[in-house]
Amino acid sequence: AQRVTQPEKLLSVFKGAPVELKCNYSYSGSPELFWYVQYSRQRLQLLLRHISRESIKGFTADLNKGETSFHLKKPFAQEEDSAMYYCALRETSGSRLTFGEGTQLTVNP
Amino acid sequence: EAQVTQNPRYLITVTGKKLTVTCSQNMNHEYMSWYRQDPGLGLRQIYYSMNVEVTDKGDVPEGYKVSRKEKRNFPLILESPSPNQTSLYFCASRGRQTANYGYTFGSGTRLTVV
Repeated sequence: AQRVTQPEKLLSVFKGAPVELKCNYSYSGSPELFWYVQYSRQRLQLLLRHISRESIKGFTADLNKGETSFHLKKPFAQEEDSAMYYCALRETSGSRLTFGEGTQLTVNP
Repeated sequence: EAQVTQNPRYLITVTGKKLTVTCSQNMNHEYMSWYRQDPGLGLRQIYYSMNVEVTDKGDVPEGYKVSRKEKRNFPLILESPSPNQTSLYFCASRGRQTANYGYTFGSGTRLTVV
């Protein structure tokens, strides 16, 4: 069965510091991975998709199949990045999206 | 505006009183899904639907029912709510053609069962 693990429930950094939110997965097929973000009192929003290899709001994430990881990184954190971040895996058939437990990121001034 | 709409946003009910949380999307999406969000557990899928009249259980379906009679609507039904169903619920949808863009989520329904 597919599984997504985010080992850090809470992560606190200072403004301007680099940040890395860890995500590991287990899945027997070829994974499709996403990062979602939930700002305070708002709905979940898609942040990144691994297939697009894009940078959104300064965040990037690289799929490492050897380490089965999809860590989210940003070189210089901003206060507005404070939010809950969820890593998610979609199975090949496309219908089920499995989320990790989430990491609450706090960027301090 | 393309969106997923859930109602109500907040609901307090008593144990055993049947309730329905509605979900509607205006994007002609095939896939719809319900999640519950609990502290420390992240989002867990309750039920999902791949198209009209096609539904399947997610990871935590016990105590819930769904129906998909129309493409745009995917209501979540709690026949006999219990306090352990107190949670924040999200409905989400995506189209077959927009698979790579992930799901679009509703604003959430905060349910309290006393």
